[in-house]
Amino acid sequence: ETGVTQSPTHLIKTRGQQVTLRCSSQSGHNTVSWYQQALGQGPQFIFQYYREEENGRGNFPPRFSGLQFPNYSSELNVNALELDDSALYLCASSLTGRINSPLHFGNGTRLTVT
Amino acid sequence: GENVEQHPSTLSVQEGDSAVIKCTYSDSASNYFPWYKQELGKGPQLIIDIRSNVGEKKDQRIAVTLNKTAKHFSLHITETQPEDSAVYFCAASKTGQLTFGSGTQLTVLP
Repeated sequence: ETGVTQSPTHLIKTRGQQVTLRCSSQSGHNTVSWYQQALGQGPQFIFQYYREEENGRGNFPPRFSGLQFPNYSSELNVNALELDDSALYLCASSLTGRINSPLHFGNGTRLTVT
Repeated sequence: GENVEQHPSTLSVQEGDSAVIKCTYSDSASNYFPWYKQELGKGPQLIIDIRSNVGEKKDQRIAVTLNKTAKHFSLHITETQPEDSAVYFCAASKTGQLTFGSGTQLTVLP
Protein backbone atom coordinates (compact mmCIF):
# COMPACT_ATOMS: atom_id res chain seq x y z
CA GLU A 1 0.00 0.00 0.00
CA THR A 2 1.51 3.35 -1.05
CA GLY A 3 1.29 6.15 1.49
CA VAL A 4 0.82 9.87 0.90
CA THR A 5 3.70 11.36 -1.07
CA GLN A 6 4.48 15.05 -1.44
CA SER A 7 6.85 16.96 -3.69
CA PRO A 8 9.11 18.76 -3.50
CA THR A 9 10.41 18.14 0.03
CA HIS A 10 11.99 21.59 0.32
CA LEU A 11 11.50 24.82 -1.59
CA ILE A 12 12.88 28.34 -1.33
CA LYS A 13 10.96 31.21 -2.92
CA THR A 14 11.12 34.98 -2.91
CA ARG A 15 8.37 37.21 -1.57
CA GLY A 16 5.80 37.96 -4.29
CA GLN A 17 6.46 34.76 -6.23
CA GLN A 18 4.02 31.92 -6.80
CA VAL A 19 4.46 28.27 -5.75
CA THR A 20 2.82 24.94 -6.55
CA LEU A 21 3.04 21.97 -4.19
CA ARG A 22 1.98 18.45 -5.17
CA CYS A 23 0.46 15.50 -3.37
CA SER A 24 -0.38 11.91 -4.28
CA SER A 25 -2.97 10.38 -2.01
CA GLN A 26 -2.77 6.99 -0.36
CA SER A 27 -4.06 4.11 -2.45
CA GLY A 28 -7.84 3.82 -2.13
CA HIS A 29 -8.29 7.34 -0.74
CA ASN A 30 -10.11 9.97 -2.78
CA THR A 31 -10.33 12.89 -0.36
CA VAL A 32 -7.36 15.22 0.09
CA SER A 33 -6.83 17.88 2.74
CA TRP A 34 -4.07 20.47 3.02
CA TYR A 35 -2.68 21.87 6.26
CA GLN A 36 -0.12 24.57 7.08
CA GLN A 37 2.19 23.97 10.03
CA ALA A 38 4.25 26.92 11.26
CA LEU A 39 7.36 26.14 13.29
CA GLY A 40 6.48 24.97 16.80
CA GLN A 41 2.73 24.94 16.18
CA GLY A 42 0.00 22.48 15.32
CA PRO A 43 -1.19 22.11 11.72
CA GLN A 44 -3.90 24.51 10.52
CA PHE A 45 -6.59 23.43 8.04
CA ILE A 46 -6.36 25.16 4.64
CA PHE A 47 -8.92 23.26 2.54
CA GLN A 48 -10.20 19.85 1.52
CA TYR A 49 -10.96 18.41 -1.92
CA TYR A 50 -13.42 15.65 -2.75
CA ARG A 51 -14.40 14.59 -6.29
CA GLU A 52 -12.29 17.43 -7.69
CA GLU A 53 -14.23 20.12 -5.82
CA GLU A 54 -13.36 22.16 -2.75
CA ASN A 55 -15.20 20.65 0.20
CA GLY A 56 -14.47 23.02 3.05
CA ARG A 57 -11.99 25.82 3.64
CA GLY A 58 -10.22 27.19 6.67
CA ASN A 59 -9.30 30.79 7.43
CA PHE A 60 -6.88 31.32 4.55
CA PRO A 61 -7.01 34.09 1.90
CA PRO A 62 -8.00 33.41 -1.74
CA ARG A 63 -4.35 33.48 -2.84
CA PHE A 64 -4.27 29.93 -1.44
CA SER A 65 -5.96 27.73 -4.03
CA GLY A 66 -6.01 24.09 -4.95
CA LEU A 67 -6.89 21.43 -7.45
CA GLN A 68 -7.74 17.77 -7.31
CA PHE A 69 -7.28 15.58 -10.36
CA PRO A 70 -9.27 12.52 -11.54
CA ASN A 71 -6.57 10.22 -10.08
CA TYR A 72 -7.16 11.95 -6.69
CA SER A 73 -3.77 13.63 -6.64
CA SER A 74 -3.82 17.29 -5.65
CA GLU A 75 -1.99 20.59 -5.93
CA LEU A 76 -1.76 23.54 -3.56
CA ASN A 77 -1.02 26.88 -5.20
CA VAL A 78 0.00 29.99 -3.30
CA ASN A 79 0.20 33.33 -5.11
CA ALA A 80 1.93 36.53 -4.03
CA LEU A 81 4.03 34.78 -1.41
CA GLU A 82 4.54 36.55 1.91
CA LEU A 83 7.24 35.94 4.52
CA ASP A 84 4.61 34.49 6.88
CA ASP A 85 3.85 31.77 4.34
CA SER A 86 7.09 30.08 5.39
CA ALA A 87 5.93 26.79 6.91
CA LEU A 88 5.62 23.04 6.48
CA TYR A 89 2.72 22.26 4.13
CA LEU A 90 1.10 18.93 4.82
CA CYS A 91 -1.19 16.91 2.61
CA ALA A 92 -3.47 14.27 4.09
CA SER A 93 -5.71 11.75 2.39
CA SER A 94 -8.75 9.90 3.68
CA LEU A 95 -11.51 7.56 2.56
CA THR A 96 -14.56 9.17 1.06
CA GLY A 97 -18.14 8.75 2.13
CA ARG A 98 -17.39 8.74 5.81
CA ILE A 99 -17.21 11.94 7.82
CA ASN A 100 -14.22 11.94 10.17
CA SER A 101 -12.47 9.16 8.35
CA PRO A 102 -8.89 9.00 9.69
CA LEU A 103 -6.47 11.34 7.96
CA HIS A 104 -3.11 9.98 6.82
CA PHE A 105 -0.43 12.63 6.33
CA GLY A 106 2.55 12.86 4.04
CA ASN A 107 5.92 14.16 5.24
CA GLY A 108 5.23 17.63 3.92
CA THR A 109 6.91 20.31 1.84
CA ARG A 110 9.08 22.77 3.75
CA LEU A 111 8.55 26.20 2.11
CA THR A 112 10.89 29.07 2.93
CA VAL A 113 9.99 32.55 1.67
CA THR A 114 12.83 35.10 1.69
CA GLY B 1 -15.00 27.91 15.49
CA GLU B 2 -13.41 25.07 17.40
CA ASN B 3 -10.55 25.76 19.81
CA VAL B 4 -8.32 23.00 21.19
CA GLU B 5 -5.97 23.57 24.10
CA GLN B 6 -3.23 21.06 24.92
CA HIS B 7 -1.12 20.63 28.06
CA PRO B 8 1.68 20.33 28.93
CA SER B 9 3.79 21.80 26.16
CA THR B 10 6.81 19.74 27.27
CA LEU B 11 6.96 16.51 29.25
CA SER B 12 9.97 14.50 30.38
CA VAL B 13 9.59 11.02 31.88
CA GLN B 14 11.91 8.22 32.81
CA GLU B 15 11.88 5.15 30.60
CA GLY B 16 9.23 2.75 31.83
CA ASP B 17 7.11 5.45 33.46
CA SER B 18 3.72 6.60 32.19
CA ALA B 19 3.00 9.83 30.31
CA VAL B 20 -0.32 11.71 30.19
CA ILE B 21 -1.21 14.53 27.81
CA LYS B 22 -4.47 16.43 28.19
CA CYS B 23 -6.62 18.40 25.77
CA THR B 24 -9.79 20.44 26.04
CA TYR B 25 -12.08 21.48 23.20
CA SER B 26 -14.69 24.19 22.91
CA ASP B 27 -17.27 22.96 20.37
CA SER B 28 -19.67 20.47 21.95
CA ALA B 29 -20.62 19.27 18.44
CA SER B 30 -17.12 17.84 17.86
CA ASN B 31 -17.36 14.07 17.69
CA TYR B 32 -13.98 12.76 16.52
CA PHE B 33 -10.72 13.05 18.46
CA PRO B 34 -7.49 11.70 16.93
CA TRP B 35 -3.99 11.79 18.35
CA TYR B 36 -0.92 12.17 16.16
CA LYS B 37 2.79 11.60 16.78
CA GLN B 38 5.22 13.72 14.80
CA GLU B 39 8.91 12.90 14.62
CA LEU B 40 11.51 15.37 13.42
CA GLY B 41 11.35 15.90 9.67
CA LYS B 42 8.22 13.80 9.24
CA GLY B 43 4.50 14.34 8.94
CA PRO B 44 2.04 13.56 11.75
CA GLN B 45 1.32 9.85 12.19
CA LEU B 46 -2.07 8.77 13.52
CA ILE B 47 -1.57 6.69 16.67
CA ILE B 48 -5.08 6.38 18.06
CA ASP B 49 -8.49 7.99 17.71
CA ILE B 50 -11.78 8.00 19.59
CA ARG B 51 -15.33 8.92 18.65
CA SER B 52 -17.84 10.63 20.88
CA ASN B 53 -19.92 7.52 21.44
CA VAL B 54 -16.99 5.86 23.25
CA GLY B 55 -15.47 6.84 26.59
CA GLU B 56 -12.18 4.97 26.37
CA LYS B 57 -10.09 3.16 23.79
CA LYS B 58 -6.88 1.21 24.21
CA ASP B 59 -4.23 -0.09 21.82
CA GLN B 60 -1.36 -1.90 23.52
CA ARG B 61 0.56 0.75 25.53
CA ILE B 62 -1.59 3.65 24.33
CA ALA B 63 -5.02 4.63 25.60
CA VAL B 64 -7.30 7.61 25.10
CA THR B 65 -10.13 8.73 27.38
CA LEU B 66 -12.93 11.15 26.53
CA ASN B 67 -15.16 13.12 28.88
CA LYS B 68 -17.83 14.75 26.69
CA THR B 69 -19.47 16.56 29.57
CA ALA B 70 -16.27 18.33 30.54
CA LYS B 71 -15.03 18.48 26.93
CA HIS B 72 -11.74 16.87 27.91
CA PHE B 73 -9.77 14.07 26.32
CA SER B 74 -6.43 12.59 27.30
CA LEU B 75 -3.67 10.39 25.90
CA HIS B 76 -2.04 7.85 28.20
CA ILE B 77 1.20 6.08 27.28
CA THR B 78 2.36 3.34 29.63
CA GLU B 79 5.80 1.72 29.89
CA THR B 80 7.38 4.52 27.88
CA GLN B 81 10.35 3.76 25.66
CA PRO B 82 12.98 6.08 24.11
CA GLU B 83 11.31 5.67 20.70
CA ASP B 84 8.17 7.29 22.15
CA SER B 85 10.10 10.59 22.21
CA ALA B 86 8.37 12.92 19.72
CA VAL B 87 5.83 15.75 19.51
CA TYR B 88 2.25 14.63 20.15
CA PHE B 89 -0.80 16.51 18.86
CA CYS B 90 -4.42 16.14 19.82
CA ALA B 91 -7.16 17.23 17.45
CA ALA B 92 -10.93 17.59 17.32
CA SER B 93 -13.38 17.50 14.44
CA LYS B 94 -17.07 17.39 13.59
CA THR B 95 -16.88 17.69 9.79
CA GLY B 96 -13.60 16.03 8.87
CA GLN B 97 -11.65 19.28 9.24
CA LEU B 98 -9.24 18.80 12.13
CA THR B 99 -8.47 21.53 14.66
CA PHE B 100 -5.14 20.70 16.31
CA GLY B 101 -3.73 21.51 19.72
CA SER B 102 -0.36 23.21 20.00
CA GLY B 103 1.56 20.01 20.68
CA THR B 104 3.47 18.32 23.51
CA GLN B 105 7.18 17.57 23.21
CA LEU B 106 7.59 14.23 25.00
CA THR B 107 11.11 13.19 25.99
CA VAL B 108 11.70 9.71 27.41
CA LEU B 109 14.93 9.64 29.38
CA PRO B 110 16.90 6.34 29.38
